[in-house]
Amino acid sequence: GQNIDQPTEMTATEGAIVQINCTYQTSGFNGLFWYQQHAGEAPTFLSYNVLDGLEEKGRFSSFLSRSKGYSYLLLKELQMKDSASYLCAVRDGDYKLSFGAGTTVTVRA
Amino acid sequence: SAVISQKPSRDICQRGTSLTIQCQVDSQVTMMFWYRQQPGQSLTLIATANQGSEATYESGFVIDKFPISRPNLTFSTLTVSNMSPEDSSIYLCSAPRGDYNEQFFGPGTRLTVL
Repeated sequence: GQNIDQPTEMTATEGAIVQINCTYQTSGFNGLFWYQQHAGEAPTFLSYNVLDGLEEKGRFSSFLSRSKGYSYLLLKELQMKDSASYLCAVRDGDYKLSFGAGTTVTVRA
Repeated sequence: SAVISQKPSRDICQRGTSLTIQCQVDSQVTMMFWYRQQPGQSLTLIATANQGSEATYESGFVIDKFPISRPNLTFSTLTVSNMSPEDSSIYLCSAPRGDYNEQFFGPGTRLTVL
């Protein structure tokens, strides 16, 4: 099975940077995903890492260290619309996703 | 990005009845997945639906309660049978795309059981 941990809540100021950490222990690893979910909406795909290192996509970057069972999502130049829940998910060899509990990010003016 | 649609978007149902949720993907996909998100919680996988084979259910979910069909490579249904208030949840279908380096979700079906 999968054990995925991420902080429950984070608060940051508009324009700042926030880093959301995710640690995992898995029985099989076939990639790590980050999703954004606004209240009442479905999760939106943000990023995918399967190899170690940093993947950058505009204001969002995601990092993976497989040996440490660790990932982070970095949100830069925070905007009010970035207030949402961020979900870390690990995929196993059968392409099934296991999700962390999610991190609620609140962006304040 | 993939376009995944679901019907209905929401429903309010009576205890003991059944509801079938439809999921349509805009291109052929080998794998489709059904997830549940209970209020205030994260997503839990119900089952994997591959075309041409029986669905594979996760621990805690059984075919009698959540029968699944997968008649072709773009469509799947999930039925929530003999519903109780504990089944009130958002049900989402999902499919990987491309080289499996992206995985998208449908908009979800918000189910309330009275």
